[in-house]
Amino acid sequence: DAGITQSPRHKVTETGTPVTLRCHQTENHRYMYWYRQDPGHGLRLIHYSYGVKDTDKGEVSDGYSVSRSKTEDFLLTLESATSSQTSVYFCATGQGSYGNTIYFGEGSWLTVV
Amino acid sequence: EDQVTQSPEALRLQEGESSSLNCSYTVSGLRGLFWYRQDPGKGPEFLFTLYSAGEEKEKERLKATLTKKESFLHITAPKPEDSATYLCAVSIEAGGSYIPTFGRGTSLIVHP
Repeated sequence: DAGITQSPRHKVTETGTPVTLRCHQTENHRYMYWYRQDPGHGLRLIHYSYGVKDTDKGEVSDGYSVSRSKTEDFLLTLESATSSQTSVYFCATGQGSYGNTIYFGEGSWLTVV
Repeated sequence: EDQVTQSPEALRLQEGESSSLNCSYTVSGLRGLFWYRQDPGKGPEFLFTLYSAGEEKEKERLKATLTKKESFLHITAPKPEDSATYLCAVSIEAGGSYIPTFGRGTSLIVHP
């Protein structure tokens, strides 16, 4: 499996504060993804990156931004956290896009109070 | 519109009672179908990738099969340690990239 680490693993924050989640990979994979997982919805894509400084929106991108300044790091930022963004966030990486397998990190649990 | 549908949502089995999980999909030109296992509080763990109808892959008590419309994850003589949520995903074209899109999963509980 790819070496993928997420930080922080757990965070409680207040409504209206900015939050940044970090994903770090050691496999030199080109593609990186941020998903959120909620009961009844499964895994839904927030944003993905197909290279340094190259990113695109996913299904549930409103309220989130991302940045990728190095191959190994992909940051997810909640500019002003809301209670609806309480969720578990998973980072994933893959070598390519055309049917390539992706591998997941262990998740970041975010609670917005 | 759901493009990946998993059934059943939940399944309870007795140890040794074989069964199958279903993943049906509605995409044209399949680029890859993926199965993952997820334990509570953990990230999804990769199991199999299938690319073409008729393809099969096995790992211990698990066997994944693929047709043009669906995939099955067969579990033979399951043990309690097979209890987990099983996720299916399909690569779907979006903006020139192929993005893994997930079903909602099947929660499997195997009783000793």
